[in-house]
Amino acid sequence: GESVGLHLPTLSVQEGDNSIINCAYSNSASDYFIWYKQESGKGPQFIIDIRSNMDKRQGQRVTVLLNKTVKHLSLQIAATQPGDSAVYFCAENAGTYKYIFGTGTRLKVLA
Amino acid sequence: GAVVSQHPSWVICKSGTSVKIECRSLDFQATTMFWYRQFPKQSLMLMATSNEGSKATYEQGVEKDKFLINHASLTLSTLTVTSAHPEDSSFYICSASPGPEAFFGQGTRLTVV
Repeated sequence: GESVGLHLPTLSVQEGDNSIINCAYSNSASDYFIWYKQESGKGPQFIIDIRSNMDKRQGQRVTVLLNKTVKHLSLQIAATQPGDSAVYFCAENAGTYKYIFGTGTRLKVLA
Repeated sequence: GAVVSQHPSWVICKSGTSVKIECRSLDFQATTMFWYRQFPKQSLMLMATSNEGSKATYEQGVEKDKFLINHASLTLSTLTVTSAHPEDSSFYICSASPGPEAFFGQGTRLTVV
């Protein structure tokens, strides 16, 4: 079946460094992707999105890259801060407002 | 962004009882809402699609008689876990969307003892 998966379950980065979180998706027909941040005990929070007609989108300190050829997404966080520590999920649009989530990557920011 | 609110944030219930969780869209109307389940250190798994005014659509492997969903208005969907057992203990999260971007509630931690 369709799935979205992540390669790195845990990523530790030094405060101030850049973080890169990766995600692979399997449905080549997916046309919309979202990155979410989830802090412990809370629901996911929207970070940034990208449509399939784009290969890059930038937000404040975050950039999402989309490579449709290899069905790969990445989230780059610049100058990682302690407040960025959380679990990050990529989500793939699977129908109207319906999403399939990847396995998640825990980001740990080291002081 | 849009606001989706869940209630309660946490609940402890005895095995065999039923628990109702509410999901509300506070500043927009939602004909469709979604219910997810999340076990510790795992991803969100879609359980069902809640459709206003009609029956919910359940994902494969989700028991519809176990997880009753009602979407009686454009701003409220409820998930009732019937005859709860310890294995139903989990984090339940709902989402709704005024547009393509999905907004999530804060989640409900259910513990069945």
